[in-house]
Amino acid sequence: KAGVTQTPRYLIKTRGQQVTLSCSPISGHRSVSWYQQTPGQGLQFLFEYFSETQRNKGNFPGRFSGRQFSNSRSEMNVSTLELGDSALYLCASSLGDSGNTIYFGEGSWLTVV
Amino acid sequence: AQKITQTQPGMFVQEKEAVTLDCTYDTSDPSYGLFWYKQPSSGEMIFLIYQGSYDQQNATEGRYSLNFQKARKSANLVISASQLGDSAMYFCAMREGPGNTPLVFGKGTRLSVIA
Repeated sequence: KAGVTQTPRYLIKTRGQQVTLSCSPISGHRSVSWYQQTPGQGLQFLFEYFSETQRNKGNFPGRFSGRQFSNSRSEMNVSTLELGDSALYLCASSLGDSGNTIYFGEGSWLTVV
Repeated sequence: AQKITQTQPGMFVQEKEAVTLDCTYDTSDPSYGLFWYKQPSSGEMIFLIYQGSYDQQNATEGRYSLNFQKARKSANLVISASQLGDSAMYFCAMREGPGNTPLVFGKGTRLSVIA
């Protein structure tokens, strides 16, 4: 059974640019959540998509957005990149209920220079 | 207030010994779930074990067990027979409520296994 796949794994962007990260969840999982991990703030929730609808949202500026497609794949976009956006972005896949099936991908390492 | 507290920034354990990683949580919701994840230097968050607030028995998964003390609001992870490959960051996380709420993570504990 394939796990959660995130692409790209590593990327370097310049301030002011925008970036799109992709996440393919485990087959059958309909919920995709995104988290940002930084040394200073730790792991913080960005947003969650379920059946193509944003169901939960964390406390991040509007520069951070996402979407989910009909096949449950999700993308997140960060516009007008700032140095502080440098982080590991993790995608989590789950069935969408309140159970214990939450699996993460390997993450996308974003460096903003 | 912190919802998840991991008081041990770093720990060392001898290979083949057992180790306990501490986690305390804070919630007023009677329904919640507690998770432990392992994060090697590669970045991937690897699911280890889950404990639901209504589970009567402590969760176990192979060498991992969760010492769940509800009254004390603690959910410590016990790793038995430590291996060199266990060296990593370990995160405790909580999901509150019956719905698909986001995970809230602690700051993590870095475990180093010594040969």
